[in-house]
Amino acid sequence: SQTIHQWPATLVQPVGSPLSLECTVEGTSNPNLYWYRQAAGRGLQLLFYSVGIGQISSEVPQNLSASRPQDRQFILSSKKLLLSDSGFYLCAWSPITGGSGNTIYFGEGSWLTVV
Amino acid sequence: QKEVEQNSGPLSVPEGAIASLNCTYSDRGSQSFFWYRQYSGKSPELIMFIYSNGDKEDGRFTAQLNKASQYVSLLIRDSQPSDSATYLCAVRTGNQFYFGTGTSLTVIP
Repeated sequence: SQTIHQWPATLVQPVGSPLSLECTVEGTSNPNLYWYRQAAGRGLQLLFYSVGIGQISSEVPQNLSASRPQDRQFILSSKKLLLSDSGFYLCAWSPITGGSGNTIYFGEGSWLTVV
Repeated sequence: QKEVEQNSGPLSVPEGAIASLNCTYSDRGSQSFFWYRQYSGKSPELIMFIYSNGDKEDGRFTAQLNKASQYVSLLIRDSQPSDSATYLCAVRTGNQFYFGTGTSLTVIP
């Protein structure tokens, strides 16, 4: 079965510091990969998605970036964090095959507090 | 981003009642529609999906889709206190999934 791992689970970072969140998927090949952010009391905002190694699409321009160095690895980064970057970050995957029932599965999330 | 709208609630129902959750979406090209449950501090869990007009039932849950009205709903029968959570509506357009802000549901024992 497929599993998705995301780390770290929580982190507290000062303003202006860098960020790296990592996510790996097991048990599947060529998944679509996603990074979402959920601010307190708000919905899920799609940040980045990737359909293959090195292929990253950005939904919202901001000081975050994403990379996909391997097929099942997805990394979210920032060079300098802002207070507004605080939130719950979720990595997710979906099968690349285009069936109507294709759904999206989430990792356990990373709580980021920028202080 | 594509718009997915939900009433934020909170919605309160007594135990054993039917809870009705609603969602509208803006992109007529959306292909599939999903309901997720999210407990406080946890990641969303899939409840069910639907992609054809009409009703789809899974246990106590029924999803309803009306593409002409761009409307999706979720009915929870025999609501239980364990159903208390935030319910997220999501739509898929191509490879992208867009989520509403969620409806908070409280089931009162």
